[in-house]
Amino acid sequence: NAGVIQTPRHKVTGKGQEATLWCEPISGHSAVFWYRQTIVQGLEFLTYFRNQAPIDDSGMPKERFSAQMPNQSHSTLKIQSTQPQDSAVYLCASSLGGTGNTLYFGEGSRLIVV
Amino acid sequence: GEQVEQLPSILRVQEGSSASINCTYENSASNYFPWYKQEPGENPKLIIDIRSNMERKQTQGLIVLLDKKAKRFSLHITDTQPGDSAMYFCAASLGDNSKLIWGLGTSLVVNP
Repeated sequence: NAGVIQTPRHKVTGKGQEATLWCEPISGHSAVFWYRQTIVQGLEFLTYFRNQAPIDDSGMPKERFSAQMPNQSHSTLKIQSTQPQDSAVYLCASSLGGTGNTLYFGEGSRLIVV
Repeated sequence: GEQVEQLPSILRVQEGSSASINCTYENSASNYFPWYKQEPGENPKLIIDIRSNMERKQTQGLIVLLDKKAKRFSLHITDTQPGDSAMYFCAASLGDNSKLIWGLGTSLVVNP
């Protein structure tokens, strides 16, 4: 079991460009979560899928952020027109079921917007 | 919105002493309270959790207490070791289809 796989591990993008981050959850896990981590804000919830269906996207900045889960082995987080304040570590986590189960986090994707 | 307050933000202790981290939550319907440890450069990992049908849980040098009346839960690390130095996050959840609400974390430093 390779754990949750996130790619890329590091991404530097210019202001205004698009960034797409990928997550492969642990096989058999039905829930996928996306978080953003910064020193100032800590762990910020972005969005949550269960059995590929979006359950809660209340943490997603509405205008430039979008997430999809086209199949059970793959989720993407897309940030359009990136801004310096989007710089953060984006963490994906999966679990067997809902929130009451252990979250297994990936290593994260560090996004730097210059 | 819902918040979980976590204190202290920084905690320095001597090796062998105990360390305590406290969290308070707002929604009395919260029923699941996990604690995650994040070592430098690593991802967060679950170390212990407690559900609302319990008041105390203990495992491998970790004790978690839950006071539902006060809406407070705490992590106690006994006999701290340098390897316990890390960020610790508490969280609270309303249930399976509800997101976890996270505290801002506690940086624990265990001095040899």
